[in-house]
Amino acid sequence: QSALTQPASVSGSPGQSITISCTGTSSDIGTYNLVSWYQQHPGKAPKLLIYQVSKWPSGVSNRFSGSKSGNTASLTISGLQAEDEGYYYCCSADSGTQILFGGGTKVTVL
Amino acid sequence: EVQLLESGGGLVQPGGSLRLSCTASGFTFKNYGMTWVRQAPGKGLEWVSSIRGDGSYAYYADSVKGRFTISRDNSKNMMSLEMNSLRVEDTAVYYCAKVHNSGGYYEYDSWGQGMLVTVTS
Repeated sequence: QSALTQPASVSGSPGQSITISCTGTSSDIGTYNLVSWYQQHPGKAPKLLIYQVSKWPSGVSNRFSGSKSGNTASLTISGLQAEDEGYYYCCSADSGTQILFGGGTKVTVL
Repeated sequence: EVQLLESGGGLVQPGGSLRLSCTASGFTFKNYGMTWVRQAPGKGLEWVSSIRGDGSYAYYADSVKGRFTISRDNSKNMMSLEMNSLRVEDTAVYYCAKVHNSGGYYEYDSWGQGMLVTVTS
């Protein structure tokens, strides 16, 4: 199974909203509501932001929100802040017991 | 507070073997699945393997199936990854992570600091 497809980079100004897309297939994102999103700062471990498409783990800001339409999932960051700079990865289960990650999106706050 | 501490990484030649361990604390270990995720230098995340809380089922990425074996010892709050027939492309930082929901293995809410494995001749 191939990795999920994410844009290489997305940027925005402080206070703006940005959206990161994650495109899969009918064998993964299109079938299962098991999409999660992770934030990773350089040299650090990933942090879970969203699970099961749109749910927040305890302690995660509601400035991060998730959604899904067809084979594409999206992560929206509202009220962009300097600390949001970093890499973002989507993740999904697939029909063959595999777990797929996206290639990652670098978010830059202008 | 959940803490995950990896150990056992290092330098190994192609074709060699290495065993990674992850010691957990701060939660009821036997109730949660555990996972290994790796990240090659400058690259993205790659799921490697997961194991259910009771150790009854294990899942592997196609890229490591038949070479890696995941296991756990719930009496010691420890998970391990035995890596055999290592390849240069297995070079990565290996993270152990705790599965968020006790029923599945799909999302990971706590991560270790990562352990570098370098496969080189």
